[in-house]
Amino acid sequence: DIQMTQSPSSLSASVGDRVTITCRASQGISTYLAWFQQKPGKAPKSLIYAASSLRSGVPSRFSGSGSGTDFTLTISSLQPEDFATYFCQQYNFYPLTFGGGTKVEIK
Amino acid sequence: EVHLVESGGGLVQPGGSLRLSCAASGFTFSNYWMNWARQAPAKGLEWVASIKHDGSEEHYVDSVKGRFTISRDNAKNSLYLHLNSLRAEDTAVYYCVKGHTPDSWGQGTLVTVSS
Repeated sequence: DIQMTQSPSSLSASVGDRVTITCRASQGISTYLAWFQQKPGKAPKSLIYAASSLRSGVPSRFSGSGSGTDFTLTISSLQPEDFATYFCQQYNFYPLTFGGGTKVEIK
Repeated sequence: EVHLVESGGGLVQPGGSLRLSCAASGFTFSNYWMNWARQAPAKGLEWVASIKHDGSEEHYVDSVKGRFTISRDNAKNSLYLHLNSLRAEDTAVYYCVKGHTPDSWGQGTLVTVSS
């Protein structure tokens, strides 16, 4: 199975900060990587697919990059509504696997 | 707009069974792979199973193989997950998820396995 390792597991940041979350796959997955945002008590929301393609309606301050084994999610200027937990997921190989999550908290 | 509405969760004893349903609308259901994912209380996400658009291919995470069965009825725009031989560690919110490139998620249905 492909292991997805996210870092950091949590971070504290202020409104307006640039935030970067990384996701590393235990083997190459090309660009078959998605990012999701989850707020407490809510279902996950898709942000990015194919490593760097933004879902319709997602603000342009979110961006994704990477291929192979190393990927990043960047929030260029953190907004109050962005405080949440973020997950990566590979969908190149079964079983599909998620990263452990990164909780973005208010500093 | 895509809508996915799960139902069928509840409290069940260890060894028991449940059938979860997902009613889909807002897209051509028969054109898409569909998935179930779950999230145990205060834990991360775990993919559970996927089924091809025509039902001809299925995949499962190892921990549920032989116990859970994913199915679909394209005439009813519905996805199902049959859960058998339930264990305490199956306790989670179960989500219906659209697409091989996962995009829309339902609101989830809680399954609690406890005596």
